[in-house]
Order: sequence, then structure tokens, then C-alpha cells
Amino acid sequence: QVQLQQSGPGLVKPSQTLSLTCAISGDSVSSDSATWTWIRQSPSRGLEWLGRAYYTSKWYFDYAVSVKGRITLNPDTSENQFPLQLNSVTPEDTAVYYCSRGSSRTGAFDIWGQGTVVTVSS
Amino acid sequence: DIVMTQSPDSLAVSLGERATINCKSSQSVLYSSNNKNYLTWYQQKPGQPPKLLIYWASTRESGVPDRFSGSGSGTDFTLTISSLQAEDVAVYYCHQHRSIPFTFGPGTKVDIK
Repeated sequence: QVQLQQSGPGLVKPSQTLSLTCAISGDSVSSDSATWTWIRQSPSRGLEWLGRAYYTSKWYFDYAVSVKGRITLNPDTSENQFPLQLNSVTPEDTAVYYCSRGSSRTGAFDIWGQGTVVTVSS
Repeated sequence: DIVMTQSPDSLAVSLGERATINCKSSQSVLYSSNNKNYLTWYQQKPGQPPKLLIYWASTRESGVPDRFSGSGSGTDFTLTISSLQAEDVAVYYCHQHRSIPFTFGPGTKVDIK
């Protein structure tokens, strides 16, 4: 079955870069029947969609305005991973981060990673 | 952005009784080209990621018990748990993927009375 395994540091200093990896098994990051998304969750902002990537003949990307300019989604087809980079973090970026697969047919997020607690603090 | 609201914030229901959660979107999430509402319901238990329950407003995901049902169209939606079980204690979220940025409701916490 499809599984998403997240990894990355749980503590990041302010102004530095948050880097998380989402390793995909049972599906392909370049599948034309899936989208790949990062979502975060915090008490103050609830569930917040950050951005997505999907491949249909070429790569497409969409980003939330709240993180646009700071976020990089760069699907790694050789490792079958979906990494997240978020630059210039502040304490407001403290949250649980999830990667998720979206079905191209239904649009729903049917598979989720286990979540990574990220704290931004010096 | 499409703003999602939910009511109530929380509710407590006796085992075996019905639980009803409402969700409202600030704009229609109906996609006219296929007549599908791009509205999804998720269940989240403590320490776990959200779990997909219902998509297209009313279609149950495979493996989801039939006591969960969704209804509504356009801007007003409802999730109903027909007979609450102990394992249904969780926070429930509605979510729209009709337009970018995709947005979630604030959640409704369901407990046992």
C-alpha cells in the first residue's frame, strides 16, 4: 500500500531554513494520477495548505500566498521523494508539518505522512 | 480565498445517538463542469494525521463505516454520524479544494456525553 515517511529536524533556528523530506513508497512522485502536498497544523492557524506539485507531461506547482517566496517544492524523481524547504523561518512557522497525496480523480488527500513537529526557536 | 466555517465548535453526544456537524463555505465549491462539490471531510484523532472520510461532499472513502454520511451542495454541507461509537471521538474538519489556496474549516470536536 502507499506510504509516506517523513523525516527532518524538529528544531530550526529563526532566519534559517526548514527542510523536511517525504519518502514515497507504493506510488511514484511523477504519477499522473496524484498530487503531492505539504500541509501544516498549529493551534493558532489550524490546518494550513502550503503548496502542491503534480506531473502531467511537465511539473506544475501551486503555493499559498502566506509562504510564497519562501517555499520550495522540488520533487526528487530519482529518490521518489517530495521534499519541502521553507526559508527565513520565524516562530510563526512552528507547527506540525504533513506531506500528503492527493487523488487527481477526487482531489481528496487520501494518504498522509505521520507528521513532523517543527519548532522554530533559538 | 474561500473561508470555511464549522458549527458547532464542539459537541457531546451519547453513545448510539446522532452527531451532526455543519460546514459552510464563503463561495460555492461546486464545479459546474462535472457537477461535483469539491468538499471533503476528515477525522483527526490526537497524535495522528487527518484521515479521509468523505469526498465530493457525500462519497464515503473505502473502508469508512456507513454510519458516516455527508450531504449538501454549493456552500452548505453536513457530516452526520448516525450512531456514535466510542472510536468516533475526534476532531472533524471540512476542506475545500475547489480553488487555490485550498482551505480547511477550524474543526469540530466530538465527545461522548
